[in-house]
Amino acid sequence: AQSVTQPDIHITVSEGASLELRCNYSYGATPYLFWYVQSPGQGLQLLLKYFSGDTLVQGIKGFEAEFKRSQSSFNLRKPSVHWSDAAEYFCAVGLKTSYDKVIFGPGTSLSVIP
Amino acid sequence: DAGVIQSPRHEVTEMGQEVTLRCKPISGHNSLFWYRQTMMRGLELLIYFNNNVPIDDSGMPEDRFSAKMPNASFSTLKIQPSEPRDSAVYFCASSSHKGEKLFFGSGTQLSVL
Repeated sequence: AQSVTQPDIHITVSEGASLELRCNYSYGATPYLFWYVQSPGQGLQLLLKYFSGDTLVQGIKGFEAEFKRSQSSFNLRKPSVHWSDAAEYFCAVGLKTSYDKVIFGPGTSLSVIP
Repeated sequence: DAGVIQSPRHEVTEMGQEVTLRCKPISGHNSLFWYRQTMMRGLELLIYFNNNVPIDDSGMPEDRFSAKMPNASFSTLKIQPSEPRDSAVYFCASSSHKGEKLFFGSGTQLSVL
């Protein structure tokens, strides 16, 4: 069965430090890959997505992610974290069926220390 | 556009009562998704529609749950009868092309006492 794992439930970083959030997926082929962010009390917002082509994708708010087929991973990175980045981050896969079902990972909660 | 609109924002009800959650997708979007979010199970896909037709309802937990999309601008998720374990945040999301980019509503916080 298809699945998405995010090994880190919670991460705390200092403001200005670099960030990497991990994501691994299990799927028979290369799926579509996404990162979404959820602020408290809000719905999710798309940060970036990978469909094909360049394996390093840029997103909003200074985030980037790299697709590594050999590791079935799609890790999210940011070189310098801001206090406003504190939120819940979800990795997701879009299954390339006729209607592209989207499945989310369990999420990683990010806290930022001033 | 106002984005995906969900109502009510909060719902508190007693066990056994019928609950109806509503969603208005972004105009022009032809795919609609219902998700449930809990601490224990995370974000679960319940059902999704394409062009008002239910495509996959394998995530609907029980027969007590049903969803409809009578037209392109409205969808409902109904729980009848409701149970305390249904307490969660229910999100509706829409997309202009399948799952390429989902736009989420603010969710409905459901509490079943």
